[in-house]
Amino acid sequence: KAGVTQTPRYLIKTRGQQVTLSCSPISGHRSVSWYQQTPGQGLQFLFEYFSETQRNKGNFPGRFSGRQFSNSRSEMNVSTLELGDSALYLCASSGVTGVLEQFFGPGTRLTVL
Amino acid sequence: AQSVAQPEDQVNVAEGNPLTVKCTYSVSGNPYLFWYVQYPNRGLQFLLKYITGDNLVKGSYGFEAEFNKSQTSFHLKKPSALVSDSALYFCAVRGGWSNTDKLIFGTGTRLQVFP
Repeated sequence: KAGVTQTPRYLIKTRGQQVTLSCSPISGHRSVSWYQQTPGQGLQFLFEYFSETQRNKGNFPGRFSGRQFSNSRSEMNVSTLELGDSALYLCASSGVTGVLEQFFGPGTRLTVL
Repeated sequence: AQSVAQPEDQVNVAEGNPLTVKCTYSVSGNPYLFWYVQYPNRGLQFLLKYITGDNLVKGSYGFEAEFNKSQTSFHLKKPSALVSDSALYFCAVRGGWSNTDKLIFGTGTRLQVFP
């Protein structure tokens, strides 16, 4: 079974731009969660989607948004990028509502200049 | 609110020696606990989980973890460390089965195994 894939792996943007990251979960998984990882803040939960509905949301500003498609693929969007948005963005999928272990993709490294 | 703490930023151990990476948690209900490992420039890899049952949980790569309810701890252990175990380790907790229960991660502990 293929693992969780994320595209692109690396991204460089400038302040004020917007960016869209993509995540394809493990086949059959319907829950997709997004995390931001930075050296200072560690792993912070962004949001979780299940069957195209956002079910959980972390404490991030409205510039961070996401969606899930009918095939469970998910995208997250960050608008009006700030320097502090530079981070590794991780996507994780799970079989049932995140109760079981989550399986992570390799991440997208976003650098904001 | 649920939380998890990893009191050590870094743990150093010699190859062949036993290792322990500490984790304590706080939840209002029954805890669901996980350990993950992250190698450089990689995502997190699942190591093991505690849901219910035996307090000693065995996982991947020879790792195990001991759930202690009275001390609210879930320490990760390995009898004999390898240099290749050097990585960043995360403990995580989920406070329940509800859809509103998120997976909360600790700040991570960097394990350095010296030859």
